[in-house]
Amino acid sequence: DGGITQSPKYLFRKEGQNVTLSCEQNLNHDAMYWYRQDPGQGLRLIYYSQIVNDFQKGDIAEGYSVSREKKESFPLTVTSAQKNPTAFYLCASSITGKSQPQHFGDGTRLSIL
Amino acid sequence: GENVEQHPSTLSVQEGDSAVIKCTYSDSASNYFPWYKQELGKGPQLIIDIRSNVGEKKDQRIAVTLNKTAKHFSLHITETQPEDSAVYFCAASNPLGGGNQFYFGTGTSLTVIP
Repeated sequence: DGGITQSPKYLFRKEGQNVTLSCEQNLNHDAMYWYRQDPGQGLRLIYYSQIVNDFQKGDIAEGYSVSREKKESFPLTVTSAQKNPTAFYLCASSITGKSQPQHFGDGTRLSIL
Repeated sequence: GENVEQHPSTLSVQEGDSAVIKCTYSDSASNYFPWYKQELGKGPQLIIDIRSNVGEKKDQRIAVTLNKTAKHFSLHITETQPEDSAVYFCAASNPLGGGNQFYFGTGTSLTVIP
């Protein structure tokens, strides 16, 4: 079955530590996205990538970094500079172009120890 | 940038009744409006979408309407069932923005009471 796989499902971070969230897709989509979801708020875009080796900042990129070395993979690193990292992180993908449906993984919940 | 507002934030209906969720958007250039259903601990799932050249779209018990003049769109669920209970998000996509960026509403928690 085609889809988006996010791992791990739960992740804990110590103060001052960087953590990396994995996102893999086998939908053959060129575009991939990372969103952050907080209670009572909509999804907010962190980073997106329209093609391999290229990515753009979204609305809340500070304290996060990404890479796009392969079409199938778009890992997100939450750095120690992100002061409020506790949230539900969602990865999505779509075909290239404007106004295309985005398909989501089942998320990673990050908590601070 | 685009601003999407969604109402109500919570909605309870009796099984078999209809549910309506409304969203407004600010940028008249937005031209694609998807709706997502999110169950607890899961990612959002696309349930229906509409483009600005269409006023209404229906898929079985789910329908979406779009009023471009008023800049609002609505999700209608008829004959609700307990499995419809979830959080629903609307979104708007503006082709003038970077990439395929979506702007999401804040969600509606729907509870269908058996």
